[in-house]
Amino acid sequence: EADIYQTPRYLVIGTGKKITLECSQTMGHDKMYWYQQDPGMELHLIHYSYGVNSTEKGDLSSESTVSRIRTEHFPLTLESARPSHTSQYLCASSAQGARDYEQYFGPGTRLTVT
Amino acid sequence: KNQVEQSPQSLIILEGKNCTLQCNYTVSPFSNLRWYKQDTGRGPVSLTIMTFSENTKSNGRYTATLDADTKQSSLHITASQLSDSASYICVVSDRGSTLGRLYFGRGTQLTVWP
Repeated sequence: EADIYQTPRYLVIGTGKKITLECSQTMGHDKMYWYQQDPGMELHLIHYSYGVNSTEKGDLSSESTVSRIRTEHFPLTLESARPSHTSQYLCASSAQGARDYEQYFGPGTRLTVT
Repeated sequence: KNQVEQSPQSLIILEGKNCTLQCNYTVSPFSNLRWYKQDTGRGPVSLTIMTFSENTKSNGRYTATLDADTKQSSLHITASQLSDSASYICVVSDRGSTLGRLYFGRGTQLTVWP
């Protein structure tokens, strides 16, 4: 089982609130990722990081921002939540140069914005 | 356009029966293909990973096949159990980037009835 953690697991919050979704991994992986997944749909990459102080936007445009100050920590922030942000957010990590870039996923955060 | 298509979208089988899930992809240049199992409300967990030169890979009751010429893969589940109820996601990686970009299918929702 992968050592990658996400908190909170579930979050219901009102429109306009600022939220931070936490993601941490204890495997020492350099690469980390954030995906967004709606029910019955594929995962979409919204942010990724090659290592400390590296952050990049993914394929799906997102109003969220990320930071990577420590190797093990990759939080995602929404400055002003909206109902359109309701979704499941999955964090993943992989080792630099790992065979075939195996990605390990966290359990996800189910976000509901009312 | 790089795409991954899965069929069927959903499947219901009785406990103890076998089933086969299909995946077609157009991702190029191809690096590897993975099958993930995602339980409801959880992150995906890797079942198998195959590179271009591998045409079959087993993991317990799960057997994946790959035909790189026709760009098709299948996941065969033998003697299904109730715990096999989950979404099975086909994921293809390209080797055109250092990120090892992943392309996700929408998954096949498998339900195993007693």
